Amino acid sequence: QSALTQPASVSGSPGQSITISCTGTSSDVGGYNYVSWYQQHPGKAPKLMIYDVSNRPSGVSNRFSGSKSGNTASLTISGLQAEDEADYYCSSYTSSSRGVVFGGGTKLTVL
Amino acid sequence: QVQLQESGPGLVKPSQTLSLTCTVSGGSISSGGYYWSWIRQHPGKGLEWIGYIYYSGSTYYNPSLKSRVTISVDTSKNQFSLKLSSVTAADTAVYYCARYCGGDCHDAFDIWGQGTMVTVSS
Repeated sequence: QSALTQPASVSGSPGQSITISCTGTSSDVGGYNYVSWYQQHPGKAPKLMIYDVSNRPSGVSNRFSGSKSGNTASLTISGLQAEDEADYYCSSYTSSSRGVVFGGGTKLTVL
Repeated sequence: QVQLQESGPGLVKPSQTLSLTCTVSGGSISSGGYYWSWIRQHPGKGLEWIGYIYYSGSTYYNPSLKSRVTISVDTSKNQFSLKLSSVTAADTAVYYCARYCGGDCHDAFDIWGQGTMVTVSS
């Protein structure tokens, strides 16, 4: 199974919005609504931010939203804040192994 | 509140077997709908799913690691374990245990351990 494709880095100024893409195949992202997104600060464990493409767990800011079109999922962060600076990873269920595949990760810099 | 904690040696010699245990507290590992998972992160790199196990014992592995990986569960101790055989320096990473909530749940890793660094070196 191949890793999902994410941009290596994105940046934005405080208050702006950014979008991170996550491209897979019909065996993972395109075939199932089981896409999730994780935020990871340096030295910390990842934190679930979005599940099932567009749902937020309790306690996650509504500035985070997710969507999907075809084989590409997206994470949008609106009203950027300094604390949003982190690495972001997408993941999806994959039928090829009945397991999970991650994206390579995107480093978000808040300018 | 469910918590996960990894434990095991931080240093493993090349060609030996890496063994880690994840202890689940605040809930039962036998609760249906959850897949108990291992994920690793090479230094400065992204996340890699290793595999997961259902409490009944069904296992699913990353094809790239399948020949070297065994994940098992001990419901009496509320623990699950990872064994990775024939390790090399390429297996040096932070290893996380995590709970994958499937079915009528998040279909995502909703709870993570803090991670444990494992170095493969002689």
